[in-house]
Amino acid sequence: SSELTQDPVVSVALGQTVRITCQGDYLRRYYASWYQQKPGQAPILVIYNKNKRPAGIPDRFSGSRSGNTASLTITGAQADDEADYYCMSRDSTGNQRGLLGGGTRLTVL
Amino acid sequence: QVQLQQWGAGLLKPSETLSLTCAVDGGSFSDYYWTWIRQSPGKGLEWIGDINHSGSTNYNPSLNSRVSISVDTSKNHFSLSLSSVTAADTAVYFCARGTQGRDRVFEGHVVIYYYYYMDVWGKGTTVTVSS
Repeated sequence: SSELTQDPVVSVALGQTVRITCQGDYLRRYYASWYQQKPGQAPILVIYNKNKRPAGIPDRFSGSRSGNTASLTITGAQADDEADYYCMSRDSTGNQRGLLGGGTRLTVL
Repeated sequence: QVQLQQWGAGLLKPSETLSLTCAVDGGSFSDYYWTWIRQSPGKGLEWIGDINHSGSTNYNPSLNSRVSISVDTSKNHFSLSLSSVTAADTAVYFCARGTQGRDRVFEGHVVIYYYYYMDVWGKGTTVTVSS
């Protein structure tokens, strides 16, 4: 089982807004980073440092956090956003292991 | 633009040792956590471990007894070794560049938050374990 919990499947109508969440106690001290992965491809970073976007990531992607929950919001979802999304954090205790959520498959209807 | 080029044996027999290498092309080799992550067929991502430029490592406790990550700063390479493989180790293995730091935020008082992310990824190497 993952120490970062994500909903396995989320769907959104084309052009609408969708929020993908990630829950875990380590998120109280670590900002989550978010990754998009399409079939047969390596993941790409879409959000880091709570709400920063790497160059080339559309501004419809945004991040937020509250307590032990991090959220990735896509405002005006596009067909190209259909993918698996993973959150990542780090163990904030003595063990510096990386932590990954189980992933959320986003379907754009 | 930093690129990660990875290679290694793609077909192993049970009990053999998996060995993969990732070359960092461009950019600094210092100040980052050089990371291995894998993905079993049809499954999610699994963090394996990382190493910094001085050789300090962190490993996933579930693999700790079998995994070793090393670094060759003269070549800007880092490598993964996973011993005694079984069919459960069949996966696509990714190398990635990790950044970790901290952020001071004022929320009535100063609070320290930490950040950790992988901004550059290799293309992945498929490793199959089969007799």
